[in-house]
Amino acid sequence: DGGITQSPKYLFRKEGQNVTLSCEQNLNHDAMYWYRQDPGQGLRLIYYSQIVNDFQKGDIAEGYSVSREKKESFPLTVTSAQKNPTAFYLCASRTGTGSEKLFFGSGTQLSVL
Amino acid sequence: QKEVEQDPGPLSVPEGAIVSLNCTYSNSAFQYFMWYRQYSRKGPELLMYTYSSGNKEDGRFTAQVDKSSKYISLFIRDSQPSDSATYLCAMTLSGGYNKLIFGAGTRLAVHP
Repeated sequence: DGGITQSPKYLFRKEGQNVTLSCEQNLNHDAMYWYRQDPGQGLRLIYYSQIVNDFQKGDIAEGYSVSREKKESFPLTVTSAQKNPTAFYLCASRTGTGSEKLFFGSGTQLSVL
Repeated sequence: QKEVEQDPGPLSVPEGAIVSLNCTYSNSAFQYFMWYRQYSRKGPELLMYTYSSGNKEDGRFTAQVDKSSKYISLFIRDSQPSDSATYLCAMTLSGGYNKLIFGAGTRLAVHP
């Protein structure tokens, strides 16, 4: 089955700690995205990558970092500089061939201890 | 003012009702319009995708775009308890692949 796998489903961060959220896709999609979802707000773009070894900041990149070493993988690190990290994080991908359609993973809920 | 406004609900309807979900937007250059369905603590799934104005139908779902009014709608006919979810509208410019703007979502509850 093709799809996007996010792990873990739930994650807890201690004060001053960096944590990494995993996102893997087997859809052979070129573009990958990280969104943050807070209650009562629309999805907000954190980072996106259109090709391997290249990525761009979205609207709320401060306190986050990413890498794109393989086409299939786009991990997101929430650093200690992100002071309000509690949110539902969604990874998405897109074919990259002129389509606006996004396909999402099942999400990771990050909470602060 | 937000670029995309969506009534958060919750909207509660009896099974079998016709449901109307709506979004308004401010950017007249938006060309591509989408509706996503999101079950609790799951990722959104694409329901409907339309380009420019007009209607699109898929089973019990109909998407309408009125660009002159900057208003889009999703209609659900014969609503079922399994339709209970949050519905997100999303839109972007032509070529705006990396600038999809989402509404905050409307929570829908269909009760038996």
